[in-house]
Amino acid sequence: GAGVSQSPSNKVTEKGKDVELRCDPISGHTALYWYRQSLGQGLEFLIYFQGNSAPDKSGLPSDRFSAERTGGSVSTLTIQRTQQEDSAVYLCASSWTGQGVDEQYFGPGTRLTVT
Amino acid sequence: EDKVVQSPLSLVVHEGDTVTLNCSYEVTNFRSLLWYKQEKKAPTFLFMLTSSGIEKKSGRLSSILDKKELFSILNITATQTGDSAVYLCAAVPYNQGGKLIFGQGTELSVKP
Repeated sequence: GAGVSQSPSNKVTEKGKDVELRCDPISGHTALYWYRQSLGQGLEFLIYFQGNSAPDKSGLPSDRFSAERTGGSVSTLTIQRTQQEDSAVYLCASSWTGQGVDEQYFGPGTRLTVT
Repeated sequence: EDKVVQSPLSLVVHEGDTVTLNCSYEVTNFRSLLWYKQEKKAPTFLFMLTSSGIEKKSGRLSSILDKKELFSILNITATQTGDSAVYLCAAVPYNQGGKLIFGQGTELSVKP
């Protein structure tokens, strides 16, 4: 079956513009996660969804970042007024339960470059 | 603050060598530890470890967890060039929705 997909794969934007990143999880997975990987860094947790609810937004770096999930499926991560420090690879993952008992399956990521 | 630290950060070996990658953690309400391999893009799952002292194996890869000393190791025997990748370990706390707390990764390069 299809894995986690993300779009776009690459995005170049000018500082100050808004961007939307999309994630399509594996069908049937109830939990969805967003992570960010900056150059030379490990993955940093941003937010997770259980169904359409986001119980933990603690990793969002500022109020310019927001995310939503609709229909228990697709999620979008929106970054408003982008800054150069937002440049990173944004990875999405999904899992069956969100209980921490099963692996997370990762998408290929969106590479965001803010010029 | 929860923290995961991997060592070494990078490693260069020759084909056929055996390598050991280290992961230590300080996580409140620790549940499990996962290892992933990241080549170009999406990390791919290798192991999930929840119990101390029980080795998990998959081909030439194996991993074990020590919950008393708070670390895990990933061993790769008879390395091949296809093993070149960044290896990530991540800790999972209880009651936080399964979110992963990642280390910085170990970049492994296997030379022919």
